[in-house]
Amino acid sequence: LAKTTQPISMDSYEGQEVNITCSHNNIATNDYITWYQQFPSQGPRFIIQGYKTKVTNEVASLFIPADRKSSTLSLPRVSLSDTAVYYCLVGATSYFNKFYFGSGTKLNVKP
Amino acid sequence: DAGVTQSPTHLIKTRGQQVTLRCSPKSGHDTVSWYQQALGQGPQFIFQYYEEEERQRGNFPDRFSGHQFPNYSSELNVNALLLGDSALYLCASSDPVGTGPYEQYFGPGTRLTVT
Repeated sequence: LAKTTQPISMDSYEGQEVNITCSHNNIATNDYITWYQQFPSQGPRFIIQGYKTKVTNEVASLFIPADRKSSTLSLPRVSLSDTAVYYCLVGATSYFNKFYFGSGTKLNVKP
Repeated sequence: DAGVTQSPTHLIKTRGQQVTLRCSPKSGHDTVSWYQQALGQGPQFIFQYYEEEERQRGNFPDRFSGHQFPNYSSELNVNALLLGDSALYLCASSDPVGTGPYEQYFGPGTRLTVT
């Protein structure tokens, strides 16, 4: 299973774009990259998933270079409510899959 | 459409006791996974159930066991509780046969405190 490495914490200000990078050097051919958001005392919430290039949805973008050894979650114009822990996961999207969360990145958005 | 529900919300047990946590998956989901999240750490995968059988297991001792019922709900049992078992226990459901991104829907968790 591919191990992921993320920064422990990041600070930002309201209205800024935030980019969180995840390193996954041992990613396998059939692995997807998934990001989750977690607020204190709540379960994680799915943000976005991708395999290669760029994926965008209503809340975030995910950039994946050609070698897929890293990925970047981009949050446009963050607000105070985006303060949370963000997890990068790598794994196959198939039956009976184990999902391994790392320690995540604690994003602190300041006014 | 109800999301993932878990009970109880909080629980306090004594070392050596046994505990049972319960989870009802999101409507239409047939696969349930359990995670343990210690304070300040990411969720750790315990096991996954599908068709009433354990399909995948993480690095947890046999004291952790589970069950899935015909209605897809699930239980997590922990025997001989240790202080280190104090954590937030999360249940997640998924629908492997769905289209689009594969995502897990998490419940709010059960906070277990072992004294």
